[in-house]
Amino acid sequence: EAQVTQNPRYLITVTGKKLTVTCSQNMNHEYMSWYRQDPGLGLRQIYYSMNVEVTDKGDVPEGYKVSRKEKRNFPLILESPSPNQTSLYFCASSLSFGRGTEAFFGQGTRLTVV
Amino acid sequence: DQQVKQNSPSLSVQEGRISILNCDYTNSMFDYFLWYKKYPAEGPTFLISISSIKDKNEDGRFTVFLNKSAKHLSLHIVPSQPGDSAVYFCAASGVVLGGKLTFGQGTILTVHP
Repeated sequence: EAQVTQNPRYLITVTGKKLTVTCSQNMNHEYMSWYRQDPGLGLRQIYYSMNVEVTDKGDVPEGYKVSRKEKRNFPLILESPSPNQTSLYFCASSLSFGRGTEAFFGQGTRLTVV
Repeated sequence: DQQVKQNSPSLSVQEGRISILNCDYTNSMFDYFLWYKKYPAEGPTFLISISSIKDKNEDGRFTVFLNKSAKHLSLHIVPSQPGDSAVYFCAASGVVLGGKLTFGQGTILTVHP
């Protein structure tokens, strides 16, 4: 089954404790990205990757890091989480970028930073 | 700077009637528009899309209309069903913008039996 898998689904952590949210896709997609969803703001892109070892900032990259060492994996790293990073996070992948290529989303990770 | 706006946070309709969800955008470089549907505790799923060279695209009960001069698009669902109750996100992309998706704030649709 074609899917994007995120882990964990739920996470409560304390300010400053480094964490990683994993994302994996099994569709051999080149393009992967991370979004956060906040009330009244919709989905905002954090980082994206057009291929292995190619990553770039989205609209709200501050406080986040990513890496793309393999095509299927695109982890999101919070080196020193803060309460304003409490949000619902989604990883997405697509075959390519542009021309409205359909993006497939993971089920989401609800992060709470206290 | 919200380049894609969904000004109605919520919409309530009766089963069998038409649901119309609206979306406005400001960036003329957008050349593709998509609608995503999201149920609670799930990720968004693709619903329907339209290229900027078209003004209408239909898929079953779902039709998207694009008015480029007004920078406005709408999603029509006819007839609406209770299972359509979800959050609907409008999104836009442009090749010259790197192809990334820019989303609106979302509209919560509730279809009453």
